[in-house]
Amino acid sequence: DAKTTQPNSMESNEEEPVHLPCNHSTISGTDYIHWYRQLPSQGPEYVIHGLTSNVNNRMASLAIAEDRKSSTLILHRATLRDAAVYYCILRDVSGISNFGNEKLTFGTGTRLTIIP
Amino acid sequence: DAGVTQSPTHLIKTRGQQVTLRCSPKSGHDTVSWYQQALGQGPQFIFQYYEEEERQRGNFPDRFSGHQFPNYSSELNVNALLLGDSALYLCASSLAGTLRAEAFFGQGTRLTVV
Repeated sequence: DAKTTQPNSMESNEEEPVHLPCNHSTISGTDYIHWYRQLPSQGPEYVIHGLTSNVNNRMASLAIAEDRKSSTLILHRATLRDAAVYYCILRDVSGISNFGNEKLTFGTGTRLTIIP
Repeated sequence: DAGVTQSPTHLIKTRGQQVTLRCSPKSGHDTVSWYQQALGQGPQFIFQYYEEEERQRGNFPDRFSGHQFPNYSSELNVNALLLGDSALYLCASSLAGTLRAEAFFGQGTRLTVV
């Protein structure tokens, strides 16, 4: 499985933007970049995913480097509810077929602390 | 939409016993995956079921087995429990054959082996 590298922890002030980095230097052409987050005492929650172009949704933005060897999850205005562990995951879709989807390989993620 | 539901939420078992955990996928989803999450670690993939068959398996011993029913719900069985099996067990559901296919996770079952 292609691996990702994330900082163990980050802090940010409430109502300020947060940039969470992820390195994936061994990414292959069929790897999608997925981000999930896990709030305390809950299961992981999908945040966003992309392949090559930058992506935006109601939760966050995903900026992908031109060589795809790194990406950044951007929370535009952090709230206390965004305090969580954020996981950057590469998902290989080359085996996608009519049966099942590829597994998600989680690392240890980045623990984001929001300072009021 | 109830999302992914897991039962029970908490469970305490004795070493050597057997346990069954249950999962109902999000409405419309046909694929169920199980993950084990030890304290302070990210979730580790156990296996995935689609069309009532195990399709992929992670690095877990045969003591871990599962089943998927015609209504897509699933069970995870663990035999001969060890202290090291204490963890949060997460179920995730998704829709097969789609590139977007984000997985939806349940809240998990906290298993404690004593």
